[in-house]
Amino acid sequence: DAKTTQPPSMDCAEGRAANLPCNHSTISGNEYVYWYRQIHSQGPQYIIHGLKNNETNEMASLIITEDRKSSTLILPHATLRDTAVYYCIVRVGYSGTYKYIFGTGTRLKVLA
Amino acid sequence: DTEVTQTPKHLVMGMTNKKSLKCEQHMGHRAMYWYKQKAKKPPELMFVYSYEKLSINESVPSRFSPECPNSSLLNLHLHALQPEDSALYLCASSHGTLYNSPLHFGNGTRLTVT
Repeated sequence: DAKTTQPPSMDCAEGRAANLPCNHSTISGNEYVYWYRQIHSQGPQYIIHGLKNNETNEMASLIITEDRKSSTLILPHATLRDTAVYYCIVRVGYSGTYKYIFGTGTRLKVLA
Repeated sequence: DTEVTQTPKHLVMGMTNKKSLKCEQHMGHRAMYWYKQKAKKPPELMFVYSYEKLSINESVPSRFSPECPNSSLLNLHLHALQPEDSALYLCASSHGTLYNSPLHFGNGTRLTVT
């Protein structure tokens, strides 16, 4: 199964862009990358996902390298409420047996 | 608020007790998941149900027994647990057949085994 590795922690100034990296060097061609965040004592919240192309939604942007071995989640204007643990996840398997495997997570602290 | 509802929010049980965790979703999802999360660790997959059938068991001890009575409900029956089983238990669901469907999580049940 593909594994993801993430830096354990990062700080970001409020209002600045937060760039969170993820390494998934063993990913296979049909395995999607998902990003979630988790605020203390809550369930993980979906942010964005992608396969090959860069993606953007109202929360964030996802940049995937051409070789798909790494990706970066970008929060364009971080706020204090973005302080959370961010997980990069690879989905493996096939329909009916998908497994969403969490990385170790990055604890992002947004500073006022 | 989440679209996946887990009850109870907190549970304290002794090692000889039998209890159940419940999870419900009304999004029409056909895949449901149980994850276990220890403090300061990422969630770890335990079980996956697809169309009410168990499709993945990640070598979970038999003191954890999942059940999917229908497409909206997922239970986790607990018996003879150990203190090290204390954790946050998360339920999630996904469409199941859409090729890029994300997981939707509940807020979990925090379990303490005494």
